[in-house]
Amino acid sequence: KQEVTQIPAALSVPEGENLVLNCSFTDSAIYNLQWFRQDPGKGLTSLLLIQSSQREQTSGRLNASLDKSSGRSTLYIAASQPGDSATYLCAVVLRRETSGSRLTFGEGTQLTVNP
Amino acid sequence: DGGITQSPKYLFRKEGQNVTLSCEQNLNHDAMYWYRQDPGQGLRLIYYSQIVNDFQKGDIAEGYSVSREKKESFPLTVTSAQKNPTAFYLCASSMDSYEQYFGPGTRLTVT
Repeated sequence: KQEVTQIPAALSVPEGENLVLNCSFTDSAIYNLQWFRQDPGKGLTSLLLIQSSQREQTSGRLNASLDKSSGRSTLYIAASQPGDSATYLCAVVLRRETSGSRLTFGEGTQLTVNP
Repeated sequence: DGGITQSPKYLFRKEGQNVTLSCEQNLNHDAMYWYRQDPGQGLRLIYYSQIVNDFQKGDIAEGYSVSREKKESFPLTVTSAQKNPTAFYLCASSMDSYEQYFGPGTRLTVT
């Protein structure tokens, strides 16, 4: 059974700092990996999707990397801002199905960026 | 505007009552999903549907039921058999096995 772990569970940094969030998964035969952001009491916002054949994806100040062989992904946030404060969730798809996919989620990292 | 809507945002029910949560999407996505989130935890898959009139159980389907009569709609019924129904429920949809897009969620409280 696929298990996804995110470390640390919580992180507090001063504004402007570069930071890295970690995600590890037990079954390296994944189809893709997705990073989400969740604000308190809200739904999830998709940040980046990495296909199994890719090593990284970038969007603005965000960069996500994928190392399938070691079962790890990292989300790098450059020049953090107070508006980045949220919970960040990592999720993997083990295999592609006829239509749709089953995501397995980590428990998330709660990020606080202090002004 | 394209997207996923869930209603209501907050729902309160007495123990022993069934309750139905609404999820609608206008993204023309084939696949739809229901997840449950408990405080401090990641999301767990309840049910998913890859096509109209077909759906599969997820990891925690006991005490829940769904239907998929239309492509746009995937309602979730929380039955009285669900032992711990109080939670935050999230609906999502996707085209094929690509990115999943989430609705704003429904917070269900059962007392």
